[in-house]
Amino acid sequence: DIQMTQSPSTLSASVGDRVTISCRASQNIDTWLAWYQQKPGRAPKLLIQKASILESGVPSRFSGSGSGTEFTLTISSVQPEDFATYSCQQYHVHVTFGQGTKVEMK
Amino acid sequence: QLVESGGGVVQPGESLRLSCAASGFTYSNYAMHWVRQAPGKGLEWVAVVSSGGDSSYHVDSVKGRFTISRDNSRNTVDLQMNSLRVEDTAIYYCVKTDCDSTGCRLMDFWGQGTLVTVSS
Repeated sequence: DIQMTQSPSTLSASVGDRVTISCRASQNIDTWLAWYQQKPGRAPKLLIQKASILESGVPSRFSGSGSGTEFTLTISSVQPEDFATYSCQQYHVHVTFGQGTKVEMK
Repeated sequence: QLVESGGGVVQPGESLRLSCAASGFTYSNYAMHWVRQAPGKGLEWVAVVSSGGDSSYHVDSVKGRFTISRDNSRNTVDLQMNSLRVEDTAIYYCVKTDCDSTGCRLMDFWGQGTLVTVSS
C-alpha cells in the first residue's frame, strides 16, 4: 500500500500568514493527489485535484504543487474561515489519506 | 446532497446497516464510496461500488464482514456491517466520485457522516 505522510500535524497561524503543508507519498504517484478541507462536524470538502487543479469556488489563496512523491498545499494569506484540518489523498493506486494537518489560530 | 443514516451504538459482534440517500445529481452515473474516520485519526477508505452496482471492492480489514450495495431506483447506497469490532468505531461518510467505475477514486462530494460506536 502507498503510505501518505503529512507534516506538520498541527500548525499555528495568524490571519494573513502564509501557510504551507507538506504531503509525502511512499512511492511515485505522479500527480494523482487531492487535498481536502475538514471542519469539525462538517463534511470534508475537495479543494484541489491532480496536485494543482483548484476546484470551482475554492478561493485562489489556496494552491497546490508537486509531483512524484512530494506535494505541498499553500494558503497564501490565511483567513478566519481557513482554520480547519487539511488532508491529502493519493488516488494513483487504490486510495490512501494522510493523517491530516490541523491549522489552528495562534 | 448526500445524507447518511443508520449509525448508532452496538456491541461487538453485532450488525448495522448504513444507508445514504443522494439527490441533486444523476446518481446512476457515478461510483460511490464509503470512507470512515476513527476518533482522532485520519480518513480511511472502506468500500466502493460502480455506478451500475455490478462491481465493488472493500478494504482488507472489512472483507467478509462489510458489503456495499446500491439501488439506483431509490438513489441510495448502503453499507451492511456484520461482526462489528471495537476498531470499526468511526464516523462513516458516503462519498461521490467523478466517474462511473470502481477505478474512480477522486472523491468530489461528501456527506456529513454517521457515527458508529462499537462498545461492550
